[in-house]
Amino acid sequence: DIVMTQSPDSLAVSLGERATINCKSSQSVLYSSNNKNYLAWYQQKPGQPPKLLIYWASTRESGVPDRFSGSGSGTDFTLTISSLQAEDVAVYYCQQYYSTPPIFGPGTKVDIK
Amino acid sequence: QVQLVQSGAEVKKPGASVKVSCKASGYTFTGYYMHWVRQAPGQGLEWMGWINPNSGGTNYAQKFQGRVTMTRDTSISTAYMELSRLRSDDTAVYYCARAKGGSGSYVPLFDYWGQGTLVTVSS
Repeated sequence: DIVMTQSPDSLAVSLGERATINCKSSQSVLYSSNNKNYLAWYQQKPGQPPKLLIYWASTRESGVPDRFSGSGSGTDFTLTISSLQAEDVAVYYCQQYYSTPPIFGPGTKVDIK
Repeated sequence: QVQLVQSGAEVKKPGASVKVSCKASGYTFTGYYMHWVRQAPGQGLEWMGWINPNSGGTNYAQKFQGRVTMTRDTSISTAYMELSRLRSDDTAVYYCARAKGGSGSYVPLFDYWGQGTLVTVSS
């Protein structure tokens, strides 16, 4: 199985400042035949199910604010919140969907400083 | 709008079985694979498997092989996940989640989730 790791475990950022979360996979999730990275990001607020933010490593899901962006390729990926808002307090998970079983990272908790 | 509405919380004794339902609305139920993901208290997300609502075909995570059964009833647009021989470490919130691709794609990218069903296993 592919192992997913995230860093940091948690971070606190001031309102309006940038938050950066890293995700690393134990093997590449780039599918050579279509040049797509099978990597997604989800946001989970307390008591709620996860919400899809980003897929194909950098494609924003419909309705997701453009302050959320994803980047990276192969085994190293980043989720950036360009200007943190109060409603962005949540746990963020990366997930590979390159191979079965799909594996989620352990999560990064984002709080307000 | 797409909605996945799950059944209510359950309390079960070790060794029992639980069956969670997930009623879909707002889209063609048979057009999208349904996956199940669980989350133990304070923990991360764990994929359990999928069902093709069109054919009834299934694929389960190796960890749950022999204990999980996923079924569907297309007449009421509802998917089910049954887990047997429950243990205390099966205590978790169980989610159904729709695969985004549609058109028969099983790719485990999840665009809609149910609200979750808490299953508590305790003697």
